[in-house]
Order: sequence, then structure tokens, then C-alpha cells
Amino acid sequence: AQSVTQLGSHVSVSEGALVLLRCNYSSSVPPYLFWYVQYPNQGLQLLLKYTSAATLVKGINGFEAEFKKSETSFHLTKPSAHMSDAAEYFCAVSEAGGTSYGKLTFGQGTILTVHP
Amino acid sequence: GAVVSQHPSRVICKSGTSVKIECRSLDFQATTMFWYRQFPKKSLMLMATSNEGSKATYEQGVEKDKFLINHASLTLSTLTVTSAHPEDSSFYICSARQGPFQYFGPGTRLTVT
Repeated sequence: AQSVTQLGSHVSVSEGALVLLRCNYSSSVPPYLFWYVQYPNQGLQLLLKYTSAATLVKGINGFEAEFKKSETSFHLTKPSAHMSDAAEYFCAVSEAGGTSYGKLTFGQGTILTVHP
Repeated sequence: GAVVSQHPSRVICKSGTSVKIECRSLDFQATTMFWYRQFPKKSLMLMATSNEGSKATYEQGVEKDKFLINHASLTLSTLTVTSAHPEDSSFYICSARQGPFQYFGPGTRLTVT
């Protein structure tokens, strides 16, 4: 079984400040990990994914995330927030093998607000 | 590549009618597609896994007779909400699996009046 916990349903930052969105996971097999962004009334856009290669993953729009197995974490960061980053962010885990191959489990989501 | 479309993007229907939502993988073949439902300010809830050429697998608590899924080809899965009621109003999102990854459609906003 797999699960995802996103710490903080709401995160508020000032424009230009560091963005840190936290995600912890549990998985009985080696995981694939994902961050998605969702703007209002739209589908999910993939920001980045970890697939057991480099532990520091760079994605689109300046976001990156680091896979830390010892901490079972996959936190999302961006050095400098833009107003356009305001959206909801979802962390997700899937199993790299086994009966749930390719099946995603989502965290609860974190709404990011960016203040001028 | 790996583009998934959904149609319609928005639909309003009257209570008691049925609504069909299409999910298409535009540039790849997908033996497996997934249907999610998203309530306001909530995460995505997996409703069912759609398998080409076989019956869909529904998650616990999802009524298979209410939410009919047909995956008739490698690029098309449909979700039909039968005898829709206002409580079925929601945002429905599909995804198509390519290898270990899912690619998401833009979603369909269903409003039942």
C-alpha cells in the first residue's frame, strides 16, 4: 500500500521568497514520485517526477524536488516565487512495479498563495 | 507528446438524464485509463481503472451501475453518468497511462440541475 501526506493545506509566501511545499510518502516497493500543479477549473500539469535516477529532480517553471529515502520525503522548492505560481499543488506516488503499477495515490493538496 | 483530451469541458444537464464524457489519448495508445472525481477544495479521488477490451475496475464505494465506463479502443475511454442527480455535480478528470506514467486530461465540469 502507498500513501502521501502533504504538510500544510495552505502555504503563503511573498513574491520573490522561497517556496517550500512538503510531501512525505510511504510505499512498500520502490516508488515513483510526482508533483503536479492545478490551476482553477483545469486539469493537472506535471511539474516533475522522480523515477529512481538522480535524487534531485528539476522540473518546469523553476521548480525542483529532492528525493530523500531516509526521510521518505519529496519536498518541492522554488528559490523565488512568482505571482503566476499561485495554484494548488499535488504530490503523488505510484509503484514502480507490482499489482498497482502506474496507479497514482495523491496527497491532499497544498494551495500556494503568493503576495505582492 | 502524451496529450490527453476530454470532451466536453463543461456540461449542464437536468436531473435524471445521462451524460457521457470522453477521454482520448491523442498521440499514444493507452491500454489503461483512469477516471477521477474532484470535489471542491479536495484532492482527486480515483473512481475506476478503465482497461481496453475488458471491464473497468471500480474503487470501493463507487457505483458501477451509476458510472458506466467503456474503453472500446486504445485511444478512447468514456464515462457515462447515468440518471444524474445534483450530488453528481463535480469535476471529472481522466488520465491515460503510458508505461508507468499517467497523463491527465483537462477535466470536465458537470453540473446537474
